[in-house]
Amino acid sequence: NAGVTQTPKFRILKIGQSMTLQCTQDMNHNYMYWYRQDPGMGLKLIYYSVGAGITDKGEVPNGYNVSRSTTEDFPLRLELAAPSQTSVYFCASSSPLGYSYNEQFFGPGTRLTVL
Amino acid sequence: TQLLEQSPQFLSIQEGENLTVYCNSSSVFSSLQWYRQEPGEGPVLLVTVVTGGEVKKLKRLTFQFGDARKDSSLHITAAQPGDTGLYLCAGAGDSNYQLIWGAGTKLIIKP
Repeated sequence: NAGVTQTPKFRILKIGQSMTLQCTQDMNHNYMYWYRQDPGMGLKLIYYSVGAGITDKGEVPNGYNVSRSTTEDFPLRLELAAPSQTSVYFCASSSPLGYSYNEQFFGPGTRLTVL
Repeated sequence: TQLLEQSPQFLSIQEGENLTVYCNSSSVFSSLQWYRQEPGEGPVLLVTVVTGGEVKKLKRLTFQFGDARKDSSLHITAAQPGDTGLYLCAGAGDSNYQLIWGAGTKLIIKP
């Protein structure tokens, strides 16, 4: 099992450019999440999905969009990149059913710089 | 709004010393998780505590959930350089979908 994979690992964008951060999980988890982590800080939730076709906003959704067409994939779209979006982005998945307590499995992250 | 406060924010100690990291809230959580994040990587789950007063041990790491399920602590005995990292606590609260995250404790163990 690869777990949660993210691409790319690093990216530099110019202000106003757009890009899609890819996230794939092979654990058949229903729940998927996008977080951003600024230097020395914890995690802030951007968007989450509880299943294919269902997404909802987290704490900091402005400037981002998501889609969930399959159980495995949960891409994050940045439109009109701004310097405030410089951060490390983590995708995570979980399956909080039965005796599970929403333990989340994380990808390795995408380090994004907007100049 | 549910919040989790971690303390200290930063801790740098010598190898072999003991330390405790705290995770506090005024809210009740149904469960609480501890993660460790190493530089350049995503967080990795260490433990989940569920019952008030519960204590779990993972080698030299001891995790405790408060009796009222509002707080938790992580105690490391005889810290080693391999324990270096960012320690995050996360609580499962009102929502089944989301975790409430603490800001993290950055721990550095010097050889």
